[in-house]
Amino acid sequence: SQQGEEDPQALSIQEGENATMNCSYKTSINNLQWYRQNSGRGLVHLILIRSNEREKHSGRLRVTLDTSKKSSSLLITASRAADTASYFCVQGSGANNLFFGTGTRLTVIP
Amino acid sequence: EAGVVQSPRYKIIEKKQPVAFWCNPISGHNTLYWYLQNLGQGPELLIRYENEEAVDDSQLPKDRFSAERLKGVDSTLKIQPAELGDSAVYLCASSLTSSNEQFFGPGTRLTVL
Repeated sequence: SQQGEEDPQALSIQEGENATMNCSYKTSINNLQWYRQNSGRGLVHLILIRSNEREKHSGRLRVTLDTSKKSSSLLITASRAADTASYFCVQGSGANNLFFGTGTRLTVIP
Repeated sequence: EAGVVQSPRYKIIEKKQPVAFWCNPISGHNTLYWYLQNLGQGPELLIRYENEEAVDDSQLPKDRFSAERLKGVDSTLKIQPAELGDSAVYLCASSLTSSNEQFFGPGTRLTVL
């Protein structure tokens, strides 16, 4: 399977805390993307990190990539209730077909 | 700028009936994708178009599913006949090219009774 696997499957934190989600994958990648899905806005692209990059920031998001371990992490700092959603890591293969995992369900408690 | 438009948003049909979903991608986006998402799971790619050509339909159950993208813009996904197990959310996405981020539509939630 080329699906990424997110860990943990579910995470519950207090508003203001940081949330860290991990992703492992099995095959070589051109890039790795993180998406968020909630009932209000559907599936939204958050950030893309290329295979030759190790870290990338976007606002309160920080993504790291370790190609030697075939893993990535997504850190959300100073979480808000609006961050409550499912987060997916997605492998971008050479043909840019995206393989979604089952996601991490994040709940931020106000 | 308008996002990816899908219709209908919800559809309830009886098994063995046909159903069709429509997608209008973001203007100028050459690549169009159809995904299926079951409850609690991530989306699974069904088919990818580059302009009007289907370049990856390996996951599309061709005995009952079909898709087309006439003129390389709008696309239609059809199921005939529908089965109970087809109940899911069908997502359409588009990207400028196959190397860019994808933008997803709101999806069509299909319920087969």
